[in-house]
Amino acid sequence: AQKITQTQPGMFVQEKEAVTLDCTYDTSDQSYGLFWYKQPSSGEMIFLIYQGSYDEQNATEGRYSLNFQKARKSANLVISASQLGDSAMYFCAMREGPGGYQKVTFGIGTKLQVIP
Amino acid sequence: DVKVTQSSRYLVKRTGEKVFLECVQDMDHENMFWYRQDPGLGLRLIYFSYDVKMKEKGDIPEGYSVSREKKERFSLILESASTNQTSMYLCASSPDRREGRPNTEAFFGQGTRLTVV
Repeated sequence: AQKITQTQPGMFVQEKEAVTLDCTYDTSDQSYGLFWYKQPSSGEMIFLIYQGSYDEQNATEGRYSLNFQKARKSANLVISASQLGDSAMYFCAMREGPGGYQKVTFGIGTKLQVIP
Repeated sequence: DVKVTQSSRYLVKRTGEKVFLECVQDMDHENMFWYRQDPGLGLRLIYFSYDVKMKEKGDIPEGYSVSREKKERFSLILESASTNQTSMYLCASSPDRREGRPNTEAFFGQGTRLTVV
């Protein structure tokens, strides 16, 4: 079974608009972490935002926020005020495992294109 | 700045060759990972390691092995390269979770594009 599911292969958004990228996850661990990464056409992987399973508040980092709904096992990324430089692949990832044992798995990604 | 360095950016190998992909990190991270990235499939975990000489299979370990003799170095080995192993390979490292540092994002190398002919 897929651990991380991203159901939107591609998304378009108008510049300056907000966009939500979907991510659902599957784990039986009580303690886990959720991440979003951005991969521009240059290929580098850029960490955007993190949400811990015990965090009560949704994580925010500048224009990025994570809409964490634990009961629904979803961790959607919201990008506000989209910019042309936001055009990239976006990956959702999950860390599982106790203590020092960490397994990090990724989804298949969503390609976001920002339209001027 | 954390640095994860992969030994080659591009590599071309012949079918049946034994291939070594090297990855070195300079931040004393406990955890290291090898992924392959293919269009439409995202990043798939091949192997990971949470300590020196410790390794765990990921989701697609077949045809690969790994070695972690030193904390900073994690090697991916293709025992007998095949054309279906043509891919982009990404190495990553991350620290352990600690009190006061729950966030353990992974830092990635620049990737190695391997072509097997």
